[in-house]
Amino acid sequence: EDQVTQSPEALRLQEGESSSLNCSYTVSGLRGLFWYRQDPGKGPEFLFTLYSAGEEKEKERLKATLTKKESFLHITAPKPEDSATYLCAVQVGAQKLVFGQGTRLTINP
Amino acid sequence: DTGVSQDPRHKITKRGQNVTFRCDPISEHNRLYWYRQTLGQGPEFLTYFQNEAQLEKSRLLSDRFSAERPKGSFSTLEIQRTEQGDSAMYLCASSPRERVEQYFGPGTRLTVT
Repeated sequence: EDQVTQSPEALRLQEGESSSLNCSYTVSGLRGLFWYRQDPGKGPEFLFTLYSAGEEKEKERLKATLTKKESFLHITAPKPEDSATYLCAVQVGAQKLVFGQGTRLTINP
Repeated sequence: DTGVSQDPRHKITKRGQNVTFRCDPISEHNRLYWYRQTLGQGPEFLTYFQNEAQLEKSRLLSDRFSAERPKGSFSTLEIQRTEQGDSAMYLCASSPRERVEQYFGPGTRLTVT
């Protein structure tokens, strides 16, 4: 069964303290791995798509990497406005996304 | 580009009532998706349209749920005889042709009392 597991469930960092979020996946035939950011009460906001092992994408303080079994979202020198839930998803079949449960990130000033 | 819009943003209903939600995708996006999200969980896939054709439905979509996308533009999701377990955020997303990224709307939060 296709499965996505994110860790940790929650993470508290001080402003400027870099860290990484993990997304492990089990899927038959990865067609794409996606990272989204979700603020409370809002819909997920698209961040990155990764297609193959070794691929990396960057956006401001965020960098996403992909291996054959997991993806990491690296956050460098985070700011309080980076506080959100970060969701990882894999594309299954033609179109469906299977999401992990998310990592709730809090950045303290 | 105004993004995906959903209406209403919040809906409170009594158990047993029917509710209908609307989703307007980003202009010219031919694929439209519905997901459901409960507190502390990631979104779960419900159904998917390409233009007006409904191509996939999840087992989560019981016979009380029905979705339509007439004319391949906006979509509606109807829940009949609502139950307390239907309380969740209902999210709509759309994708452009030949791209895989799904862009989400703000969601409709349903509370069944």
